[in-house]
Amino acid sequence: DTGVSQDPRHKITKRGQNVTFRCDPISEHNRLYWYRQTLGQGPEFLTYFQNEAQLEKSRLLSDRFSAERPKGSFSTLEIQRTEQGDSAMYLCASSPSWTGGSEETQYFGPGTRLLVL
Amino acid sequence: AQSVSQHNHHVILSEAASLELGCNYSYGGTVNLFWYVQYPGQHLQLLLKYFSGDPLVKGIKGFEAEFIKSKFSFNLRKPSVQWSDTAEYFCAFGAPNAGKSTFGDGTTLTVKP
Repeated sequence: DTGVSQDPRHKITKRGQNVTFRCDPISEHNRLYWYRQTLGQGPEFLTYFQNEAQLEKSRLLSDRFSAERPKGSFSTLEIQRTEQGDSAMYLCASSPSWTGGSEETQYFGPGTRLLVL
Repeated sequence: AQSVSQHNHHVILSEAASLELGCNYSYGGTVNLFWYVQYPGQHLQLLLKYFSGDPLVKGIKGFEAEFIKSKFSFNLRKPSVQWSDTAEYFCAFGAPNAGKSTFGDGTTLTVKP
């Protein structure tokens, strides 16, 4: 399977702990996105990368959240001092570089479901 | 603010019924439009997309959508649904080269056999 992969698929943690999620995009996709989805809502944009550069961060991304894509391939999303409100599905997507047209289609991974107790 | 409104939260149909799911977006510029589907236990998959050209676009599994610019709408249609179409459907848009997509809250479709 050459789709977007995410690890872990599920994470249960206690409030105050740090967690880190990993996303491996489709090979040769230059853009990588993180979204958060809570029950009954659609995905909400968090941040995205063009290669290793983080080009945009949502206001949803508080100081406790940090994302990296150090070599322009896989990405990590870290949440420090987790809170119960962080419980959600964290989705990763990737797309080729924008050259106009259909290259902007985002392909989603299966997500990491986080539960903060 | 950019937003997407999906008018129906939950739609229940019998097999062979016709489907239309409403989607309206709020944005003043050029947009790319998408419908995604999420089958039970699976991840988001692209159903169809509109970037330019013919405003009537066809996707997989017999779905189609029509972009009406004057109404800021991108409604999804299927003439005859099947039980296997039971899923959650998300409408989304993005400005060209803007990176992020803005999603609606989804419509859950239940098709009764």
